[in-house]
Amino acid sequence: DQQVKQNSPSLSVQEGRISILNCDYTNSMFDYFLWYKKYPAEGPTFLISISSIKDKNEDGRFTVFLNKSAKHLSLHIVPSQPGDSAVYFCAASYSGTYKYIFGTGTRLKVLA
Amino acid sequence: GAVVSQHPSWVICKSGTSVKIECRSLDFQATTMFWYRQFPKQSLMLMATSNEGSKATYEQGVEKDKFLINHASLTLSTLTVTSAHPEDSSFYICSAKREGLAYNEQFFGPGTRLTVL
Repeated sequence: DQQVKQNSPSLSVQEGRISILNCDYTNSMFDYFLWYKKYPAEGPTFLISISSIKDKNEDGRFTVFLNKSAKHLSLHIVPSQPGDSAVYFCAASYSGTYKYIFGTGTRLKVLA
Repeated sequence: GAVVSQHPSWVICKSGTSVKIECRSLDFQATTMFWYRQFPKQSLMLMATSNEGSKATYEQGVEKDKFLINHASLTLSTLTVTSAHPEDSSFYICSAKREGLAYNEQFFGPGTRLTVL
């Protein structure tokens, strides 16, 4: 049972445009969400997170939006840069546990 | 800060042998570490939670006798894949929870590629 889903396995975006990566979850107990970036044969690196008490969090070019009623979150990258090309994972967690449940990942390719 | 290392970065072994992978938090203490496994083009799957000074907590479907976890100090957790078989070939990643942070943020190691022949 995949509790965290990223339905788009890949996404291509032109440099300078906006990249939007989506993530859906099924467990309403989740109250903390994160986005990680991962290159092949490397560990994930943290990008941005959001608590369920918020609906938006922004950090530079990265903004995460949370829609609790739809159990949906998205990561916006603007402007997209070639160096952003990587696999992006969303992850969810809930109070009382430090376990992360990862989505299946979306491979982003930013075209120069 | 918050650097996590893994050793080795890659290992090739024969079927039936055991392999030990180390995960270290270099500049912080971690009472809790996590072990993940990632198969090609798949998600990171949590295998177990490693707790310093106590037994690890394994996720459903993960054989605790096959994947031995030891968390003997606040900066080191080890995962031993016992009697490895080709189906154990995977990318193993550890993470560490840094104490004192307001919420549960994990820092990931670079991963270990295990190939069992």
